[in-house]
Amino acid sequence: DAGITQSPRHKVTETGTPVTLRCHQTENHRYMYWYRQDPGHGLRLIHYSYGVKDTDKGEVSDGYSVSRSKTEDFLLTLESATSSQTSVYFCAISESTGYTYEQYFGPGTRLTVT
Amino acid sequence: GNSVTQMEGPVTLSEEAFLTINCTYTATGYPSLFWYVQYPGEGLQLLLKATKADDKGSNKGFEATYRKETTSFHLEKGSVQVSDSAVYFCALSAPNTGNQFYFGTGTSLTVIP
Repeated sequence: DAGITQSPRHKVTETGTPVTLRCHQTENHRYMYWYRQDPGHGLRLIHYSYGVKDTDKGEVSDGYSVSRSKTEDFLLTLESATSSQTSVYFCAISESTGYTYEQYFGPGTRLTVT
Repeated sequence: GNSVTQMEGPVTLSEEAFLTINCTYTATGYPSLFWYVQYPGEGLQLLLKATKADDKGSNKGFEATYRKETTSFHLEKGSVQVSDSAVYFCALSAPNTGNQFYFGTGTSLTVIP
């Protein structure tokens, strides 16, 4: 258990409204990630962070922004939600094992944009 | 570039049948390879991993061998149980990519009694 929580776990919102999803970790991991999961696409990386205030774009970053003002929190914001952003969102951290890194995932947030 | 291709699902097996889920990869350098499992309504859990060629990862009766010559990491289990019903993801982590992981599209497995 990597101590990752996500909030909210479920959210329904309307097109055009801003939405912020929160990822919280308790073990001081440097690397944090946001993915979206959609049928037929597996997991796709949205943004990631390699430290406080250090973030970078992933494969599908358009329409999303992130912030990391504290080590333990990584926020994902949809500035103006669209129906194409209906998805399940997962936060993850990377943990070094000495030989490689392993990723551990939060429980997910199911977002529906109507 | 880096990518993972895994067999399309869904896969349906009877209890105690043999399972193989194929996974092949493309990577720059020498990646680490992983299998993750996702149960309904949950996040992904690390199932097993291998960090270099010819390594065999194993856990809970599942096995996968890192084959550099065929760029493959196929998941196998000798006798599946109903509790193995889940979605399985193959993934790689390539060096010098900021610890980024690359995931396959997932293979859904249903085991029937």
